[in-house]
Amino acid sequence: AQSVTQLDSQVPVFEEAPVELRCNYSSSVSVYLFWYVQYPNQGLQLLLKYLSGSTLVESINGFEAEFNKSQTSFHLRKPSVHISDTAEYFCAVTAISGGYNKLIFGAGTRLAVHP
Amino acid sequence: GAGVSQSPSNKVTEKGKDVELRCDPISGHTALYWYRQSLGQGLEFLIYFQGNSAPDKSGLPSDRFSAERTGGSVSTLTIQRTQQEDSAVYLCASSLETSAYNEQFFGPGTRLTVL
Repeated sequence: AQSVTQLDSQVPVFEEAPVELRCNYSSSVSVYLFWYVQYPNQGLQLLLKYLSGSTLVESINGFEAEFNKSQTSFHLRKPSVHISDTAEYFCAVTAISGGYNKLIFGAGTRLAVHP
Repeated sequence: GAGVSQSPSNKVTEKGKDVELRCDPISGHTALYWYRQSLGQGLEFLIYFQGNSAPDKSGLPSDRFSAERTGGSVSTLTIQRTQQEDSAVYLCASSLETSAYNEQFFGPGTRLTVL
């Protein structure tokens, strides 16, 4: 079975400051890793994912995450945040084997960007 | 094109009543997933469909919950004899196939409130 831990339930930060949202996972099998974002009053959207290849993955809006197998982590970072990044961020994993893509989510981190 | 749609967007019901939640996946998507987002529980997997069959119902919280999918398209999640702990946002997602390489696209959710 897989599990995901997001260590911070809320992260307040000032605009243009860097931010890191932490995600650790536990699994007895190899997994794929995802970050989803939920903007206020909107549905979940895929932000970025790690399936294979380079361990550093990037999104189109400046976020990046690095898969660290030895530390079982997939932390999300952005060097300079904007007000519009205010949202809830969910880390998720799915087992590579098993035949289907059942996502196991963390509890979420609410990012609040202040002017 | 059209994304995943869910109806109703909000549902308020009295304890003990039955409710039906509907999901219209993206056309052509064979895989369909139901998740529940609730305070204190985060996002949890309920059930998934490959075509019209549901190989994994392990996430359904109790036998009051059931789901079906007809014609490989629309899915209905039914909750019988609703309880207050059923209050949550019910999310539906679809993907082209069940492989993790296929992104899951989420609908806006149905917010269920059981009084």
